[in-house]
This record gives sequence, structure tokens and C-alpha cells, in this order.
Amino acid sequence: QVQLVQSGAEVKKPGASVKVSCKASGYTFTSYGISWVRQAPGQGLEWMGWISAYNGNTNYAQKLQGRVTMTTDTSTSTAYMELRSLRSDDTAVYYCARVERRRLAYWGQGTLVTVSS
Amino acid sequence: DIVMTQTPLSLSVTPGQPASISCKSSQSLLHSDGKTYLYWYLQKPGQPPQLLIYEVSNRFSGVPDRFSGSGSGTDFTLKISRVEAEDVGVYYCMQSIQLPSFGQGTKLEIK
Repeated sequence: QVQLVQSGAEVKKPGASVKVSCKASGYTFTSYGISWVRQAPGQGLEWMGWISAYNGNTNYAQKLQGRVTMTTDTSTSTAYMELRSLRSDDTAVYYCARVERRRLAYWGQGTLVTVSS
Repeated sequence: DIVMTQTPLSLSVTPGQPASISCKSSQSLLHSDGKTYLYWYLQKPGQPPQLLIYEVSNRFSGVPDRFSGSGSGTDFTLKISRVEAEDVGVYYCMQSIQLPSFGQGTKLEIK
């Protein structure tokens, strides 16, 4: 069965960077893209961007351009999302999700990133 | 950017009664390929979102048939024919005809 398992919770100081991983199993990794979505405490869902696991093409939300980088390692079927210059309003649960025909059908369990001095 | 607007933002329903959530998009979600890229998700407390409905009206694998979606263009509706206790959570619509965006969410609680 399709599974996306994310790395554990992180606590970072303002200005630091964080890199969250998302390990896929149960399907051919390079056949689908991965999107990243975040959710601030008590708030709604915010789409961050997408990466093709086939060729590494990316598309990022405009508000995060320049601070976010999404990558994949096809040898380990793992996707990564790095966010730099962290601010307090980046505190959120970060989710990865498999993209198939534009829908986010399978989701990771989420990774809480806390930004605090 | 496409703005998704859901109403109501909260809903309290007696078990066994129906429920309905509206989602309106700022632009048409009908693509030139003939598909309409509108989805519905349910986020149960403490869990990631789960896909309920794709392309307006198609139930995802394992989704009970009490959930149904309808609509076209810019106006869409999710209906639950008979609400059960396990349906509590926040419902989101999402579009992906352009870069994806979500509605604000509708919180469903049981009376």
C-alpha cells in the first residue's frame, strides 16, 4: 500500500533552515510528483509547491519563492523540502502528498516545525 | 491566483441528518481537457487531510456513498446524505486547474 513517512518534529531558531523528509513506499516513486502543504496552528491548508519525482521539475508558491527548495533522491524514494530564513509564522505542520492527475491522494503523517527564539 | 470561498465556516448536525457545504471559485475550474479540477478533503482531528471527492463528483477509493459532490464552473457542493459521528472534522475544497489553493475550511460538529 502507498505510504509516505515523514521525518520527526523540529525546533528551530528564527533565521535558521529546516529540511523535512518524506520517504515513499508501495509504488514506483518516479511515476508521481510530490506536493508539500503546510498548516499553521489552528489554521487552514496552504499549498507550498510541487516536485516531479521523474525529472525534478518544481513549481513553488510565489510567497515562498527564494526561501524554499524541494528535491528528491530517487535512490531512496525520498522527497525533501528545505525552508530557509525561518520566521515565527513558519511554525506549522508540514505535509507531503503524492500527486496523481492533479489530486493529492495520499498524505504523509505531518511534521511539526516550531520556530522560536 | 484562484480564491476558493467556502460556506458555511461551521456546521452543527444531528446524526442521521443531511449536511451540505458550498465552495465557490474566483475563476472557472473547467479545463480545456474537459475535466473540472475541484476536490474535497476531510481533515479529522489530529490527522492529515484525506481525499473524499475528485474532479467534482468522483468518490475516492473507500469513501462511503453518503458523500457526494456536484457542481460546475465556479460553484460546487459537497453533500453528506446522513451524517455519522465519524464525519466530524474540517472539510476543505481545493482547486488544481492552476497552482493549487484551498478553501478556508468548514468545521463539522455533531449536535
